[in-house]
Amino acid sequence: GAVVSQHPSWVICKSGTSVKIECRSLDFQATTMFWYRQFPKQSLMLMATSNEGSKATYEQGVEKDKFLINHASLTLSTLTVTSAHPEDSSFYICSARERPEAFFGQGTRLTVV
Amino acid sequence: EDQVTQSPEALRLQEGESSSLNCSYTVSGLRGLFWYRQDPGKGPEFLFTLYSAGEEKEKERLKATLTKKESFLHITAPKPEDSATYLCAVQATVAAGNKLTFGGGTRVLVKP
Repeated sequence: GAVVSQHPSWVICKSGTSVKIECRSLDFQATTMFWYRQFPKQSLMLMATSNEGSKATYEQGVEKDKFLINHASLTLSTLTVTSAHPEDSSFYICSARERPEAFFGQGTRLTVV
Repeated sequence: EDQVTQSPEALRLQEGESSSLNCSYTVSGLRGLFWYRQDPGKGPEFLFTLYSAGEEKEKERLKATLTKKESFLHITAPKPEDSATYLCAVQATVAAGNKLTFGGGTRVLVKP
């Protein structure tokens, strides 16, 4: 299957700082990528759809100014958590579609202290 | 609104004890139903895509089936390495942005 690489795998940051997570499709081009958040023992919650060359589409209740998404190329999307707070600590996962399937990155464990 | 419900939430099996996981869905026209396996601290790993009722797919000890209202993931003679959370997701034919709707997952533990 197609490979989606996410970096970093884990990050610890201080409250008030910003953190950037990268998601790359390694062997295919992805015009659309998806960002999810997952709490312990829960399923994936879609945060936003990232579209190459245009603005991201955010799900209801997700703060677009806190979770900045940039999809500057067909192989790279980034999620920046701005002014992070402890409640932003979570497991963030990206996904890219190589039709018809969707493939996922390894996930990023964010801990805000 | 599209909905996906997985049952049971958790399943404990002895090695070799076959079982089935259920994924019930309500969707405005099904484009595809997807099964994933997720290990702790990792992203979901793609297993199967099913498109129409009656379709079946197999991979090693796993077999996925689809009806108009639900899908089953059958695990035959499971081994401890089959322990994981299994996620089901659907894509509707009119899904904005091609997004998937996920169920809550079934946590499977296979004991030796």
